[in-house]
Amino acid sequence: DAKTTQPNSMESNEEEPVHLPCNHSTISGTDYIHWYRQLPSQGPEYVIHGLTSNVNNRMASLAIAEDRKSSTLILHRATLRDAAVYYCILSRTNEKLTFGTGTRLTIIP
Amino acid sequence: GAVVSQHPSWVICKSGTSVKIECRSLDFQATTMFWYRQFPKQSLMLMATSNEGSKATYEQGVEKDKFLINHASLTLSTLTVTSAHPEDSSFYICSGSSPGRNQPQHFGDGTRLSIL
Repeated sequence: DAKTTQPNSMESNEEEPVHLPCNHSTISGTDYIHWYRQLPSQGPEYVIHGLTSNVNNRMASLAIAEDRKSSTLILHRATLRDAAVYYCILSRTNEKLTFGTGTRLTIIP
Repeated sequence: GAVVSQHPSWVICKSGTSVKIECRSLDFQATTMFWYRQFPKQSLMLMATSNEGSKATYEQGVEKDKFLINHASLTLSTLTVTSAHPEDSSFYICSGSSPGRNQPQHFGDGTRLSIL
C-alpha cells in the first residue's frame, strides 16, 4: 500500500482557516486520496476524497498537487467541533483503508 | 448521508463469554463491510473484510476462529468475539461501502468492549 505522511499535530484558532497537509510521494495512478476524521470515542467520519482535481463539499475542500504527490485538506472556518484526528489515506475503489497515525487538530477558542 | 448503526455501543462482560456486535447499514446496501479494532491512543487496525454472502477475509494475525464474522445480508454484518479475554478489550468499529466506483466508507460509532 502506498503510504502517507502527516504532521502528528496542529493547532488553529477558532474561526480561522486550517490547512492540513499530506504527502504521498509513492501514490499510483489509481489511488484516490481520502480524508476521514475521528472525534474522541467515535468512529471515523468521511470528510472528502478526490483523484486529480480539487474537490469541494459542505465540510471541506481538497487541494491536490499537480503531480499528486501531496494534498491539503482545507477547513475554511474552524470551529471547536472540528477538533479531531484527521487521517489522509490512499485507497483504490472500494478497497480497504489503511489508517496511519493522522494529524491531531486542536482548535484554540 | 449514509448511516451505519452499530450495536451495542458499550459492553462489559466476564472472561470466557462470547459477545456479538451488530453493524447495520440503514439507508444503503453495503456489499462490503469492514471490521476494525482500535486500542487506546492507537490508530484503527483492519481486522477483516466481508462481502455479502461469502466468507470474510481476515488480516494477518487476526484469528478467524476467535473473531467470527457473518455478512448474511446487504444491510447486516455481525462480529462475534468468542471466549473473550481481557486482552480482547478494545474499541471495535465497522464500516460499509455501497456498490459502485469511488464510494467512501461509512463508519459506525463503535463498540467499546471491556472484558473483566
